Amino acid sequence: ETGVTQTPRHLVMGMTNKKSLKCEQHLGHNAMYWYKQSAKKPLELMFVYNFKEQTENNSVPSRFSPECPNSSHLFLHLHTLQPEDSALYLCASAPLAGVAEQYFGPGTRLTVT
Amino acid sequence: AQTVTQSQPEMSVQEAETVTLSCTYDTSESNYYLFWYKQPPSRQMILVIRQEAYKQQNATENRFSVNFQKAAKSFSLKISDSQLGDTAMYFCAFMKQNFGNEKLTFGTGTRLTIIP
Repeated sequence: ETGVTQTPRHLVMGMTNKKSLKCEQHLGHNAMYWYKQSAKKPLELMFVYNFKEQTENNSVPSRFSPECPNSSHLFLHLHTLQPEDSALYLCASAPLAGVAEQYFGPGTRLTVT
Repeated sequence: AQTVTQSQPEMSVQEAETVTLSCTYDTSESNYYLFWYKQPPSRQMILVIRQEAYKQQNATENRFSVNFQKAAKSFSLKISDSQLGDTAMYFCAFMKQNFGNEKLTFGTGTRLTIIP
């Protein structure tokens, strides 16, 4: 285990639903990330938080809304998603953004129906 | 913008053999990191090995070693004495050294299967 947990591990939601993904890291890190992993595509960085401040929004649609209440927790709030948003969503953390490797969680497999 | 290319979508080798996964990247940066990550079928991504661009010596972690050719922008991963547990997707990744705001750019991955 990498010290990064994600819940739920699987989620099926309709296009009109609102749901949230949760990530928690137990490593004392200060940077947290959301990635989207789709089949046969490189991992796509979505958001970066460093010391609870968002430092990167990689042109992500507003139907994805991140929240970082503290350095240990990261949420991804989802609403009015599209079927093409179905993917594996990975959370990662690092001691400090930009200077160290990232540790990944197991991911949430999201299916939008 | 940085790009990372993994030209081998799939590879398979017999257990105990040595296998090399290739990775090339394109950047104009001089200070950066390169990583190999492993994603087993359970999906948790694990760091395999890390290389700082300023270091000439190739990184080594037990059975895993890299061949870092900075001028050629090449960063291959060699797995010696391969084991069944090495079966996974392997991702090469690039990160510019940039305090507080950086992008980790991944390749599309190589699916490696170790055959008993």
